Amino acid sequence: DAKTTQPPSMDCAEGRAANLPCNHSTISGNEYVYWYRQIHSQGPQYIIHGLKNNETNEMASLIITEDRKSSTLILPHATLRDTAVYYCIVRVAMGGAQKLVFGQGTRLTINP
Amino acid sequence: DAGITQSPRYKITETGRQVTLMCHQTWSHSYMFWYRQDLGHGLRLIYYSAAADITDKGEVPDGYVVSRSKTENFPLTLESATRSQTSVYFCASSDPRVAGVTDTQYFGPGTRLTVL
Repeated sequence: DAKTTQPPSMDCAEGRAANLPCNHSTISGNEYVYWYRQIHSQGPQYIIHGLKNNETNEMASLIITEDRKSSTLILPHATLRDTAVYYCIVRVAMGGAQKLVFGQGTRLTINP
Repeated sequence: DAGITQSPRYKITETGRQVTLMCHQTWSHSYMFWYRQDLGHGLRLIYYSAAADITDKGEVPDGYVVSRSKTENFPLTLESATRSQTSVYFCASSDPRVAGVTDTQYFGPGTRLTVL
């Protein structure tokens, strides 16, 4: 699985868009980008994933650069409940044993 | 719609004792996983299971035993607990047959284990 690099921490004002970057310069063609988050003391929560195209769901948008070497998770209208550690994970979708390797992630703090 | 549950949520035990952490999911997902989370290490995979009666080691399996006699349950046993096993344990499940989603894991709320 390709290595990812994320800033250790970020701040965002409530109601604003939170943009979380992730670098994955060694990503290979069949590797997906996944985002999870972990709110304090809770289990990690799946947010979104993508391969090449930008993706959007009810929680967030994922923007993947054309060369796929980096991506950005966008929380369009951040709330205090979005304060969490966000993990960017790159891996092959094997449809089978899918052990996730969590790095240190980005600690996002939403300020009132 | 319980999803994935873990019990107990908190456990204090002593060195050398056997303790079993339970994980139950109601989705009939084929894959289940056990992770531990420690400060400075993030989440690390202990064991996983692809189906009933099929289990395999993850990154840090030593000192742990798992079984999976039923699809919905995946207990984790510490046969002789040590202080280094003090951690938060998360169970997760996934199923590649879920339409439109691949490799997504759904996590339980965690069990906080303290070994004295």
